[in-house]
Amino acid sequence: NAGVTQTPEFQVLKTGQSMTLQCAQDMNHEYMSWYRQDPGMGLRLIHYSVGAGITDQGEVPNGYNVSRSTTEDFPLRLLSAAPSQTSVYFCATSGNYGYTFGSGTRLTVV
Amino acid sequence: AQTVTQSQPEMSVQEAETVTLSCTYDTSESNYYLFWYKQPPSRQMILVIRQEAYKQQNATENRFSVNFQKAAKSFSLKISDSQLGDTAMYFCAFMNHYSGGGADGLTFGKGTHLIIQP
Repeated sequence: NAGVTQTPEFQVLKTGQSMTLQCAQDMNHEYMSWYRQDPGMGLRLIHYSVGAGITDQGEVPNGYNVSRSTTEDFPLRLLSAAPSQTSVYFCATSGNYGYTFGSGTRLTVV
Repeated sequence: AQTVTQSQPEMSVQEAETVTLSCTYDTSESNYYLFWYKQPPSRQMILVIRQEAYKQQNATENRFSVNFQKAAKSFSLKISDSQLGDTAMYFCAFMNHYSGGGADGLTFGKGTHLIIQP
């Protein structure tokens, strides 16, 4: 089935560790984005990309890096994890009808 | 930048009743999209309904319909004949008309937790 695939589903990191959240889509959408969801805050935009080779910052970009080498993949990197980055992370693509979200990654930083 | 406000943190109704979730937004744009997303305990974000700002007719999807009042910047969701499976968080979201929403992406409200009682 067409859609957005995120891995892993769950992750526990120690403060200072680095990791990459993976996101892949087979919908051929140019626009991809990363959101974080915190309790009582709704979803907030971290980074987005309007096509391969083009990325830009959203509302809450600090502590995160992204790259977009292909249309299909849009990984999110945490360079040095902090407890404030404990959250649920969603990758999403945008097409003509609206956004399609991945199933999310629950990240805990201890 | 846009803001989206959902003033009802939690609502509870009996099965088969009709319930309306409120959403207001603030924008200086004239061309945009509005959405309602459902998030059940599985965490998945599911698109419920979408409304284009240039369309005067309110969107409808089976038991779900919206009341879109552009001048008042109001976008409420009505769920008719509510079912146990409707229990979830519901998020109202705004997107500018250009592709993907640009630098703002989707702007979300904080959500309403809807509980359908048997």
